[in-house]
Amino acid sequence: AQTVTQSQPEMSVQEAETVTLSCTYDTSENNYYLFWYKQPPSRQMILVIRQEAYKQQNATENRFSVNFQKAAKSFSLKISDSQLGDTAMYFCAFMKGSSNTGKLIFGQGTTLQVKP
Amino acid sequence: GAVVSQHPSWVICKSGTSVKIECRSLDFQATTMFWYRQFPKQSLMLMATSNEGSKATYEQGVEKDKFLINHASLTLSTLTVTSAHPEDSSFYICSAARLEDLFFGPGTRLTVL
Repeated sequence: AQTVTQSQPEMSVQEAETVTLSCTYDTSENNYYLFWYKQPPSRQMILVIRQEAYKQQNATENRFSVNFQKAAKSFSLKISDSQLGDTAMYFCAFMKGSSNTGKLIFGQGTTLQVKP
Repeated sequence: GAVVSQHPSWVICKSGTSVKIECRSLDFQATTMFWYRQFPKQSLMLMATSNEGSKATYEQGVEKDKFLINHASLTLSTLTVTSAHPEDSSFYICSAARLEDLFFGPGTRLTVL
């Protein structure tokens, strides 16, 4: 069975600074996807970034980037130039390859507070 | 982007009654939808996979007779919480897959008195 672990229940960062959220996972699969989702107070799940396991290059989306270490099964999220709107709960998630599209396994979540 | 809606957004019911939650894909067809439950300040836990035209697949530990799932069309899946009790109070979220992308509904808060 797959597991996803986020070891930081809460984090805080000053506005405009950089913060890194950690995530590790365990799987015997070779074909899979990893995600970071943001859940603001509205509780709407918002996709932040997605990484295909077969791609060595780390995914980036504007201020958000990941450090994907496949051998170490690590998938951290870096948020640069943090903004107040980044305050939310962040979830790391794992999904098997195409035969299980949509079935996500989530980590415990990290609550991020961006301070002015 | 694609839109997934849920109705109602918030429901309060008495213990022992049944509650139906709808999940709709508004601008695409979804052969598969997923239902998650989220307790306050906790993670999302997958409850079941809803398959259009066939029975749902439930995760281990989820009572299929208590959480009835129906996926009668390519745009609608329903979750019925039968004989609800206070411990069923939670936030229920659905998601739908379109090709390789996933879209989440806004969630439904269920409070059982």
